[in-house]
Amino acid sequence: QKEVEQDPGPLSVPEGAIVSLNCTYSNSAFQYFMWYRQYSRKGPELLMYTYSSGNKEDGRFTAQVDKSSKYISLFIRDSQPSDSATYLCAENAGGTSYGKLTFGQGTILTVHP
Amino acid sequence: KAGVTQTPRYLIKTRGQQVTLSCSPISGHRSVSWYQQTPGQGLQFLFEYFSETQRNKGNFPGRFSGRQFSNSRSEMNVSTLELGDSALYLCASSPLGSSVDGYTFGSGTRLTVV
Repeated sequence: QKEVEQDPGPLSVPEGAIVSLNCTYSNSAFQYFMWYRQYSRKGPELLMYTYSSGNKEDGRFTAQVDKSSKYISLFIRDSQPSDSATYLCAENAGGTSYGKLTFGQGTILTVHP
Repeated sequence: KAGVTQTPRYLIKTRGQQVTLSCSPISGHRSVSWYQQTPGQGLQFLFEYFSETQRNKGNFPGRFSGRQFSNSRSEMNVSTLELGDSALYLCASSPLGSSVDGYTFGSGTRLTVV
């Protein structure tokens, strides 16, 4: 079993829709949770970063972390065609886990005009 | 300010050869991490360097190695290339390599082994 499970999709939605992306993880040591967006032929770009359980909002993006269920989510409101990309969740255990992010497989999202 | 720069962008090598990839971090960042990205395995951590010292290592064979220079630039080397080494190799830089700082990725080097 992978440490981080993420549905690869693909997910196709119309412009303006609310998108929900999810990951589950099994390693209780994970303390830091991130969402990255990766466009084709580019490196991942950090979207959201959370440390504790709860919600964090940034513009159209909301990240949720439920440590008791080992479940993290990313919501995108009013989705735009420019949001079409692969979305990756990533976790880090902190401490001496320097530089080591454990990624989900990524969800391919397409937003249709 | 300039982002993370990886060179070359594309590389084609033959099985059995070796290859060296380069990563220049964001100015002031002292931590550099390397990742391998493939369609089957996704993004996998290779190793992390800080102040010329490897602090963390993933589960890759010894054919994969790296180093960091005093200016924080880093190189990774893959010896005796195998077809399965074909992948996008990404590096990420961070001020100190802790999660609180965040990690900024480069655009990667696409390695094809034939």
